Amino acid sequence: EVRLVESGGGLVQPGGSLRLSCVASGYTFSSHWMYWVRQAPGRGLVWVSRISTDVTKTNYADSVNGRFTISRDNAKSTLYLQMNNLRVDDTAVYYCTRDLTWGAMDVWGQGTTVTVSS
Amino acid sequence: QSALTQPASVSGSPGQSISISCTGTSSDVGGYDHVSWYQQHPGKAPQLLIYEVFNRFSGVPDRFSGSKSGNTASLTISGLQAEDEAHYYCNSYSRSTPVVFGGGTKVTVL
Repeated sequence: EVRLVESGGGLVQPGGSLRLSCVASGYTFSSHWMYWVRQAPGRGLVWVSRISTDVTKTNYADSVNGRFTISRDNAKSTLYLQMNNLRVDDTAVYYCTRDLTWGAMDVWGQGTTVTVSS
Repeated sequence: QSALTQPASVSGSPGQSISISCTGTSSDVGGYDHVSWYQQHPGKAPQLLIYEVFNRFSGVPDRFSGSKSGNTASLTISGLQAEDEAHYYCNSYSRSTPVVFGGGTKVTVL
């Protein structure tokens, strides 16, 4: 069974940091581009970041550029999102997703909740 | 990075057909055949329904179909069922960012 399992969410104060992880299983992790997508409470889906299969290409939404860093370890089948200088409006459920083709996301994790509050 | 435009809500009775629109620009929806649709039930992760405008993902019932005309893509649900009540999101490959999502549409089965 193809699965993505996120972890690392929690409560953090504004200006703090968190590192999210996403462990993949059931498929060849290194063969697929990967995304982070977030959903604020009661709101829609928003793309956050993307990384290529060989780690050479990364992209970020304007709202997180310069604060978040996406990475992956293909040997460990794990995707990461380092989040620094967190803001209240970063509060959301963060999903790890697999790219099927050109932005179509065919596998989603269960999500991990990040709450930024003082 | 403006979101694609979707109606906030659409409703229909069981057995009816409904359509959800997803409007973008020539830099995203209109410029590429890389539009996808997702279904999200409350408290659950989204699930892929349609990719590349009209391709149904594995296991998706054939009452779900996708199309595109110009800068607007559409998801049609034929023979609406109670379990179709959910939020629906479109996304598209975009020239300026890799992906852009729509704001989401709440489908209510009357």
